[in-house]
Amino acid sequence: EPEVTQTPSHQVTQMGQEVILRCVPISNHLYFYWYRQILGQKVEFLVSFYNNEISEKSEIFDDQFSVERPDGSNFTLKIRSTKLEDSAMYFCASRGSSGATDTQYFGPGTRLTVL
Amino acid sequence: KNQVEQSPQSLIILEGKNCTLQCNYTVSPFSNLRWYKQDTGRGPVSLTIMTFSENTKSNGRYTATLDADTKQSSLHITASQLSDSASYICVVSARRLYSGAGSYQLTFGKGTKLSVIP
Repeated sequence: EPEVTQTPSHQVTQMGQEVILRCVPISNHLYFYWYRQILGQKVEFLVSFYNNEISEKSEIFDDQFSVERPDGSNFTLKIRSTKLEDSAMYFCASRGSSGATDTQYFGPGTRLTVL
Repeated sequence: KNQVEQSPQSLIILEGKNCTLQCNYTVSPFSNLRWYKQDTGRGPVSLTIMTFSENTKSNGRYTATLDADTKQSSLHITASQLSDSASYICVVSARRLYSGAGSYQLTFGKGTKLSVIP
């Protein structure tokens, strides 16, 4: 069964450094998402992406964040200058159509630790 | 502000027993309600999706109910197994007021952490 994959599974970085989290969505999907989950807290929406542009973003997704689909298969989340509070699990998700009940398929997540 | 509240926060049950998890929401305009299962350190996996007109939906031993009038949902797990140990997350989808492809935003509850013990 097709699945969303994410790399790396765990990323450790120093505060102020840039990180890029990578995702490979399911191949025929058109809508892509990033979420984060701080340890012990709920999953939070960051950004949605469709047709090579951001559809929607949350308050969390400030100027330090950017997303890109550089080559038609990868979907990346970049954090320019990481802060301690960026430590979290970051989940990528994708879905195939614009239908309201279409399932979002989540990747296994990347655990980001900012020291 | 859209909110999803779940109860209980955690639950321990014996293998083979049934349990019911609750979800209350204030999300507008409501589009659909989803239950996800999240194993520790993994991404959420969809169990059920229900629209406004659906009262109940089953997926194997999982049965979700929805009362759109009271804005409540429940997830009932029958004959629990050790592998059911996970967090169960209620997620409500709101339809965005402006038009646009895929204009739905998900609001997540904090989840109920279920532990099934032998």
